[in-house]
Amino acid sequence: ELKVEQNPLFLSMQEGKNYTIYCNYSTTSDRLYWYRQDPGKSLESLFVLLSNGAVKQEGRLMASLDTKARLSTLHITAAVHDLSATYFCAVVLTNSGYALNFGKGTSLLVTP
Amino acid sequence: GAGVSQTPSNKVTEKGKYVELRCDPISGHTALYWYRQSLGQGPEFLIYFQGTGAADDSGLPNDRFFAVRPEGSVSTLKIQRTERGDSAVYLCASSLFIGETQYFGPGTRLLVL
Repeated sequence: ELKVEQNPLFLSMQEGKNYTIYCNYSTTSDRLYWYRQDPGKSLESLFVLLSNGAVKQEGRLMASLDTKARLSTLHITAAVHDLSATYFCAVVLTNSGYALNFGKGTSLLVTP
Repeated sequence: GAGVSQTPSNKVTEKGKYVELRCDPISGHTALYWYRQSLGQGPEFLIYFQGTGAADDSGLPNDRFFAVRPEGSVSTLKIQRTERGDSAVYLCASSLFIGETQYFGPGTRLLVL
């Protein structure tokens, strides 16, 4: 059974600080996505990571993928309040269709 | 351009009733996906279409749930004999081709009383 685990599930951090969110998955995956969800809103695609060692950056967010460890990280640099949201990782299993399998999400609150 | 749209945005129904939820994908997108999101959880896969055909319906929880996409564009998720446990936000997504990045709509919030 596939498990996609994120930690932490809740994160409160001060503006200007750095932090990393972790996403572990239990079986081989073809690709991994990170999405952002604001309260009451839908999901916004942030990154797609396709291969081992892939790294992508957009603004203060950087995502990486280690397929051997079945681990992805989302690193936040110098957090600002606008980054407050819930972040989901989602994996597509190898040879098992194209459904996204989501983690429970990390609820991030950036405070002054 | 226009994103994925879903109607209605909110639906309140009584236990045992039938509901239909509609999804309009991004124009030109060939693949369409349905997910369900309960409060405080990540979305759970229900079904996806490639063109008009349901390529994978393994996530549908039981035979009360059914989805169609007759012309390869708009899709309707149908729920018969609704139960209180069906209450959730139903999300639709589309991608240009199967396996590419999925773009989500705003969702339909279903409440079964």
